[in-house]
Amino acid sequence: AQKITQTQPGMFVQEKEAVTLDCTYDTSDQSYGLFWYKQPSSGEMIFLIYQGSYDEQNATEGRYSLNFQKARKSANLVISASQLGDSAMYFCAMRVRYGNNRLAFGKGNQVVVIP
Amino acid sequence: NAGVTQTPKFQVLKTGQSMTLQCAQDMNHEYMSWYRQDPGMGLRLIHYSVGAGITDQGEVPNGYNVSRSTTEDFPLRLLSAAPSQTSVYFCASSPSPSGVSYEQYFGPGTRLTVT
Repeated sequence: AQKITQTQPGMFVQEKEAVTLDCTYDTSDQSYGLFWYKQPSSGEMIFLIYQGSYDEQNATEGRYSLNFQKARKSANLVISASQLGDSAMYFCAMRVRYGNNRLAFGKGNQVVVIP
Repeated sequence: NAGVTQTPKFQVLKTGQSMTLQCAQDMNHEYMSWYRQDPGMGLRLIHYSVGAGITDQGEVPNGYNVSRSTTEDFPLRLLSAAPSQTSVYFCASSPSPSGVSYEQYFGPGTRLTVT
């Protein structure tokens, strides 16, 4: 079974600083995808970034980058130059090929950006 | 494109009542799923569908039924509401059931309270 672990307590980040959100995963499948979603206080789920298990380069999307360490089974999200609008819950999720592509979520990391 | 739509946005039920949460998508996605989100938890998969006429159980299916008669619609039925079903419900869709790289597109959520 696939499992995602996010254990950091809530984080306060100074505006314009970078923040790293930890995510470790466990799966015996070789083919899988890792996703990060943002959930602001308004409640919607916003897709941020994707990393495939066979991708050799770390994924980047604007201010978001994914620090993918396959051997350690870790997929940390890095947000550079934090903005007040980055205050939200962030969820790491994994999709595996042989689980009917179901998406498994971690419990999330709370980030509060302070001016 | 409206994307993924969910109705209603809010609902209060009494214990024992039944109701249907509606979900529709206009992106011709094959894969649709229902999640529930409880405080301090990530999203947990209730049921999913890999195409019209095909559904399967997720992690927490008890007390819920689904059907998929069309590609566009994937309603979730609560058979006899219980206070433990108080939660936020998200519907999501994805282009294909066979690719790990496809992100899931989420609806805005339905906040359900069972008294």
